[in-house]
Amino acid sequence: EAGVVQSPRYKIIEKKQPVAFWCNPISGHNTLYWYRQNLGQGPELLIRYENEEAVDDSQLPKDRFSAERLKGVDSTLKIQPAELGDSAVYLCASSLRGDWDTQYFGPGTRLTVL
Amino acid sequence: AQRVTQPEKLLSVFKGAPVELKCNYSYSGSPELFWYVQYSRQRLQLLLRHISRESIKGFTADLNKGETSFHLKKPFAQEEDSAMYYCALLETSGSRLTFGEGTQLTVNP
Repeated sequence: EAGVVQSPRYKIIEKKQPVAFWCNPISGHNTLYWYRQNLGQGPELLIRYENEEAVDDSQLPKDRFSAERLKGVDSTLKIQPAELGDSAVYLCASSLRGDWDTQYFGPGTRLTVL
Repeated sequence: AQRVTQPEKLLSVFKGAPVELKCNYSYSGSPELFWYVQYSRQRLQLLLRHISRESIKGFTADLNKGETSFHLKKPFAQEEDSAMYYCALLETSGSRLTFGEGTQLTVNP
């Protein structure tokens, strides 16, 4: 089992460019999370999915961020256009519904916006 | 709004010494607290949660509601304990984790 898979692992873009991150959760995990971790900070939840439904997106900056999980498995997080302040590590995690003991994190995507 | 505070960004101890990583929280409901750990070049992972009352890798943490604290302790630190530690609070609804800023623990030989 590879665990939660994320790609790319690193991404460098110029401001105003679009960027997308992909996450493949652990098989059978119906809950998927996207977190953003700024340098020197803990992770902050951006969005949580239960299957294909976004059940908590209150902290997702919807003017430039979007996410989807069309078939309730893989998920994509997009930023368009990127800003300098978006530089961070974007973490994906998955779990069985409501079971925090089964929450596993991916390796993250480190985004640098120049 | 809930808040988790880890007052020490860096903590350095010698091998065999006791270690305590501090975590304070503010939350109006009944909290559930966690400790997560991230070893160098590894993924963030759950270390322990207060409701399980387990000792993991020699670490324990007790929820003190009076002092709103959930400090992580180990009586004898080992070099392999060197890592980034995050305290986290789960809302009563059970739907969202709020993380602290983390403490980088270094255990020197």
